[in-house]
Amino acid sequence: AQSVAQPEDQVNVAEGNPLTVKCTYSVSGNPYLFWYVQYPNRGLQFLLKYITGDNLVKGSYGFEAEFNKSQTSFHLKKPSALVSDSALYFCAVREGDNAGNMLTFGGGTRLMVKP
Amino acid sequence: DAGITQSPRYKITETGRQVTLMCHQTWSHSYMFWYRQDLGHGLRLIYYSAAADITDKGEVPDGYVVSRSKTENFPLTLESATRSQTSVYFCASSDSPGLGGYTFGSGTRLTVV
Repeated sequence: AQSVAQPEDQVNVAEGNPLTVKCTYSVSGNPYLFWYVQYPNRGLQFLLKYITGDNLVKGSYGFEAEFNKSQTSFHLKKPSALVSDSALYFCAVREGDNAGNMLTFGGGTRLMVKP
Repeated sequence: DAGITQSPRYKITETGRQVTLMCHQTWSHSYMFWYRQDLGHGLRLIYYSAAADITDKGEVPDGYVVSRSKTENFPLTLESATRSQTSVYFCASSDSPGLGGYTFGSGTRLTVV
């Protein structure tokens, strides 16, 4: 079975500082990995994905994520946080070899960026 | 979000009542999903549908019923609401779920009293 863990319920960072939101996964085959963001009273929005290729994936709003196969991680990063980045972030995974698999979402991490 | 609409946005109902949450998408996406979002549990899949007249259970289907007579609509019914079903419900659609191309609605906040 596929699963994803976000070990931090909340991450606090000062504006202008780099941020990292952690995600680890478990699948039996090749992973397809995703990050979504949820702003207050809104649905989730796609940020970026890793399917294959370069381990560093760039996405929307200046976010990037690094795929690390040996550590089974896909941490979300941004070099300089903005107050407007404050939101709930979800990591998701599916086993890449089976196109019929649905995504499994993590529990979410709330990012708080303080001025 | 443009193209996928959930209604109502907010609903308060009493224990034991039947309530239906509506979801409508305009893209003709083949896949549609219902999730519930609860503190400490993240997003959990209730039901999904791969096409009209095809539905399947997700992680937490008990107490819910779905139907999909038309591609664009995917209503979720709580047959006899319980307090444990108080949650925020999200509908999503996708033409390529395996590639992560989910589009989510804005959610319905349901309170069962």
